[in-house]
Amino acid sequence: DGGITQSPKYLFRKEGQNVTLSCEQNLNHDAMYWYRQDPGQGLRLIYYSQIVNDFQKGDIAEGYSVSREKKESFPLTVTSAQKNPTAFYLCASGGQVNTGELFFGEGSRLTVL
Amino acid sequence: GQNIDQPTEMTATEGAIVQINCTYQTSGFNGLFWYQQHAGEAPTFLSYNVLDGLEEKGRFSSFLSRSKGYSYLLLKELQMKDSASYLCALNDYKLSFGAGTTVTVRA
Repeated sequence: DGGITQSPKYLFRKEGQNVTLSCEQNLNHDAMYWYRQDPGQGLRLIYYSQIVNDFQKGDIAEGYSVSREKKESFPLTVTSAQKNPTAFYLCASGGQVNTGELFFGEGSRLTVL
Repeated sequence: GQNIDQPTEMTATEGAIVQINCTYQTSGFNGLFWYQQHAGEAPTFLSYNVLDGLEEKGRFSSFLSRSKGYSYLLLKELQMKDSASYLCALNDYKLSFGAGTTVTVRA
């Protein structure tokens, strides 16, 4: 079945550690996104990519990094520089950046201990 | 940049109608989305408006006025399963979300 797969679903990290969240899609979409959601709040854009080997910062990129080496994959690294990393992270993809709906993965819940 | 405003919470009775408003300010516009999100789950697509007017999809309808920077989502014949957060999202070359409106449906 076509879709977006995020892993892991739950992740615990000690302070000072980097962690990488995986996002894979087999929908042949060009655009991919990473959002962060805090309890009771909407989605805030971290990074997005319109095409392989290219990506742009969203509204809250500090403390995060991404890569887009393959069309299917858009991993997000939460670095130790991110001051409040505990959140629900959502990956999404879409056919074109400025048309059409986004399809979301199931999300990854990161907790810093 | 953009600014998206929606009410924080709304409560309604099963079988009733609820209208969720969304106002926005943006320097570029390529459409407005509405998504539904149940607690702890990913958002799911409800509707997309790119032209002014009303789009109807079963019990859900969405309206857009680009000149006023205004949209609303209308939920009719409310059911308990409609209790969720409803997110207004602006498409201006990247998708930016409002904070969401939590709708609680009471029996």
